[in-house]
Amino acid sequence: EAGVVQSPRYKIIEKKQPVAFWCNPISGHNTLYWYLQNLGQGPELLIRYENEEAVDDSQLPKDRFSAERLKGVDSTLKIQPAELGDSAVYLCASSPGQNRPTDTQYFGPGTRLTVL
Amino acid sequence: DAKTTQPNSMESNEEEPVHLPCNHSTISGTDYIHWYRQLPSQGPEYVIHGLTSNVNNRMASLAIAEDRKSSTLILHRATLRDAAVYYCILRDRGYKLSFGAGTTVTVRA
Repeated sequence: EAGVVQSPRYKIIEKKQPVAFWCNPISGHNTLYWYLQNLGQGPELLIRYENEEAVDDSQLPKDRFSAERLKGVDSTLKIQPAELGDSAVYLCASSPGQNRPTDTQYFGPGTRLTVL
Repeated sequence: DAKTTQPNSMESNEEEPVHLPCNHSTISGTDYIHWYRQLPSQGPEYVIHGLTSNVNNRMASLAIAEDRKSSTLILHRATLRDAAVYYCILRDRGYKLSFGAGTTVTVRA
């Protein structure tokens, strides 16, 4: 069974440019998460989707970040415009979506963004 | 979210056991203890979880103190592939995983 797929794996852009990250979760997983991971720190949740609905976007900086999951399957996270401080790894994860405290979250390999 | 405290780093020799401690003195009765690990250049992966009783799976064992204020992840025979950052996370009824900085495990050949 394929895991969570993310692309691109690496992205280098100039500041003020837009950038987008794509995620395809494990088949059948209703819940999708985007996390941000700064160097030397653990991942931090940006947004969580239940099917196509963003049910927790409280940590998403909405002035420059946006996300969508139009058909409740794959998802795109966008930054526009990017700033130097956005350099980090962006991780996508999915889970079956029953929201039990025993549910496992399955992570993709992440996209490493470098903003110059 | 209830907090956990882990050592910043630990070293082990290959094929020896590794005991990773985690303190969670403010744990509530409904908090599950989860462990994830993150290998270099990869996303985190699930290792094990437990509530009150000790747990074993193919990857590791989880020993939970009787008062639940601490727990220990045990890797029975460390291999070079076990070198990773290990995260101890408390999880209540919902979905949220709150990662700290974790423990960086180095395995010497």
